[in-house]
Amino acid sequence: EDKVVQSPLSLVVHEGDTVTLNCSYEVTNFRSLLWYKQEKKAPTFLFMLTSSGIEKKSGRLSSILDKKELSSILNITATQTGDSAIYLCAAEYGNKLVFGAGTILRVKS
Amino acid sequence: NAGVTQTPKFQVLKTGQSMTLQCAQDMNHEYMSWYRQDPGMGLRLIHYSVGAGITDQGEVPNGYNVSRSTTEDFPLRLLSAAPSQTSVYFCASSPDWTSGLGEQYFGPGTRLTVT
Repeated sequence: EDKVVQSPLSLVVHEGDTVTLNCSYEVTNFRSLLWYKQEKKAPTFLFMLTSSGIEKKSGRLSSILDKKELSSILNITATQTGDSAIYLCAAEYGNKLVFGAGTILRVKS
Repeated sequence: NAGVTQTPKFQVLKTGQSMTLQCAQDMNHEYMSWYRQDPGMGLRLIHYSVGAGITDQGEVPNGYNVSRSTTEDFPLRLLSAAPSQTSVYFCASSPDWTSGLGEQYFGPGTRLTVT
């Protein structure tokens, strides 16, 4: 069965902390790994990773894929209250995406 | 560009009723999909389409039908609503699928309650 598992399920940190969110996947015909941020509405795209070991960065967020370990991490440095959201990881296989359950991040001021 | 639009935003149905959730995109995207999102379960794929006239099932297709008569529209039909279909439904599209889906663009969602 194709599946994606995210950890932790939820996390509470203080502003300025650095967080690492984990995603592991088990899919046939893997194509890419995607990260989305979801606030109180539709998910918005953060990163797509296809090559192992190459870090993608956007401001305080970065992500890397490890194809050998079938996993990815999303790092957020110097967290802000605006980073509070659900972070979703998805693995692409064939013409489909399978999503993990998400990590709920709450950043306290 | 309006992007991906969905109607209605909210809907309450009684068990056994049928209805259609509308989804349209104006970006000329070939790939469109429907997901449902339930608490603690992320998004689950219901049906998807790689172009007009072509549809296929996702993880949780039972109780739902789709059709794709045009590139722009991808309606989702609930045949006989059940309380288990209470959920938030998202439509999404991607410009290409042949070399990878890449970023999916999501609509604002429809919150459906079945009583």
